[in-house]
Amino acid sequence: AQKITQTQPGMFVQEKEAVTLDCTYDTSDPSYGLFWYKQPSSGEMIFLIYQGSYDQQNATEGRYSLNFQKARKSANLVISASQLGDSAMYFCAMREVSGGYQKVTFGTGTKLQVIP
Amino acid sequence: DVKVTQSSRYLVKRTGEKVFLECVQDMDHENMFWYRQDPGLGLRLIYFSYDVKMKEKGDIPEGYSVSREKKERFSLILESASTNQTSMYLCASSSPQGLLREKLFFGSGTQLSVL
Repeated sequence: AQKITQTQPGMFVQEKEAVTLDCTYDTSDPSYGLFWYKQPSSGEMIFLIYQGSYDQQNATEGRYSLNFQKARKSANLVISASQLGDSAMYFCAMREVSGGYQKVTFGTGTKLQVIP
Repeated sequence: DVKVTQSSRYLVKRTGEKVFLECVQDMDHENMFWYRQDPGLGLRLIYFSYDVKMKEKGDIPEGYSVSREKKERFSLILESASTNQTSMYLCASSSPQGLLREKLFFGSGTQLSVL
């Protein structure tokens, strides 16, 4: 079974609109961390936002927020007021302890294109 | 700002060649990682290191080896390059933090083509 599932290979959004990128995860461990990274065409992955499994509130970082629904094992990224510079690949990732080490598993990514 | 530098942005090699991919970070991070990125597969962990001269296999170590002689440098070695190793290779580093909140800092990647 996939640890991280991103079901949207590609998405379009109008500039200034909000967009939600879906992410579901699979783990039996009660302790884990969830991350979103952005990868522009330049190639460098950039950290956006973090949510801990014990966090009571949804994480927010500027225009980014994470809609964390623990019972459904989903961690969707919401980008408000989209900008042209938001066009990029977005990866959801989960950090958990495995074999005595912390391991990070990435999803397959969603390509977001912002339309002027 | 954390800087993770990969030596080459694009690399073209022949089948059977020995290939070295170099990665240097300037923020004194203990942890370093090598991933490969393929369309539709996301990022997959090849090797990682939590200390100098220490290495651990990731999910897809076959055909690769690594070297970490200095804290700031982590090298990925393809002993005998094959066409199925054509991919984007991403190096990352991090510093340990509690509560599983350790975030990764990435280089810009090396697009390797094996002909």
